[in-house]
Amino acid sequence: GAVVSQHPSWVICKSGTSVKIECRSLDFQATTMFWYRQFPKQSLMLMATSNEGSKATYEQGVEKDKFLINHASLTLSTLTVTSAHPEDSSFYICSVPKGTEAFFGQGTRLTVV
Amino acid sequence: GDSVTQMEGPVTLSEEAFLTINCTYTATGYPSLFWYVQYPGEGLQLLLKATKADDKGSNKGFEATYRKETTSFHLEKGSVQVSDSAVYFCALRGGGADGLTFGKGTHLIIQP
Repeated sequence: GAVVSQHPSWVICKSGTSVKIECRSLDFQATTMFWYRQFPKQSLMLMATSNEGSKATYEQGVEKDKFLINHASLTLSTLTVTSAHPEDSSFYICSVPKGTEAFFGQGTRLTVV
Repeated sequence: GDSVTQMEGPVTLSEEAFLTINCTYTATGYPSLFWYVQYPGEGLQLLLKATKADDKGSNKGFEATYRKETTSFHLEKGSVQVSDSAVYFCALRGGGADGLTFGKGTHLIIQP
C-alpha cells in the first residue's frame, strides 16, 4: 500500500484569510495526487489533479485562483484555500494513486467563520 | 463522462441481517471498481476492489462481483454487525492517471 498523511486534520479560520493543507506520501513517490472535497452527507467530488513539477489540472467549475495547488516534490502536494469564505467550509481529502488503487489521507475539516 | 449510482440511504438493519447495497456505473472502456468505507470522523478506507469483469472482491465478510453485463458492483454481507455502521462509497477508476468517480454514498446503520 501507501501511507498518506494529511495535515492539519481540522482548521478554523476567519473569513478572508488563507489556509494551507498539506498532503504527504510517506512511503511512495507520487507524481500525481488528487484533491477531493466532500460536503456533509454527500459524495466526494474531484477538485483537481496535482502534477509534480507542472500545473495542476482542475475539474470544471473549480476556481483555480481560489484553490491553489502546488506539487513541488514527489512526496508533497499542498492545497491553499485563498480568501476563504463560509461556503468553502468542507472536508478536503487528498489521494495518492498507486497501481489500480488509491490511498487517502485522513482528510481536513475546514470551517470558515 | 463516468458516473456511479448507488442506492440512497440511510439503510437501517438489525444485527446479523443480510446486507445488499446496490451500485451501478457508466464508463467507457474497462474501469476498476471499488468499495470504500468511511467510519464516523475518519477518512476513507478501501474495503474491496475488482479490476476486471467477473472478478470478486472480498474483505471482512463483504463481497462484490464485477458484472460487466449489468454494469454493476453490488456490495453484500451475509451477517452484519453493529461495527459495520458507516458510510459506504462505490467508486470507479477509468484509467491509471484518473481520479476516482464516487457514488453519493450509502449510510448504513446497524442496530443491536
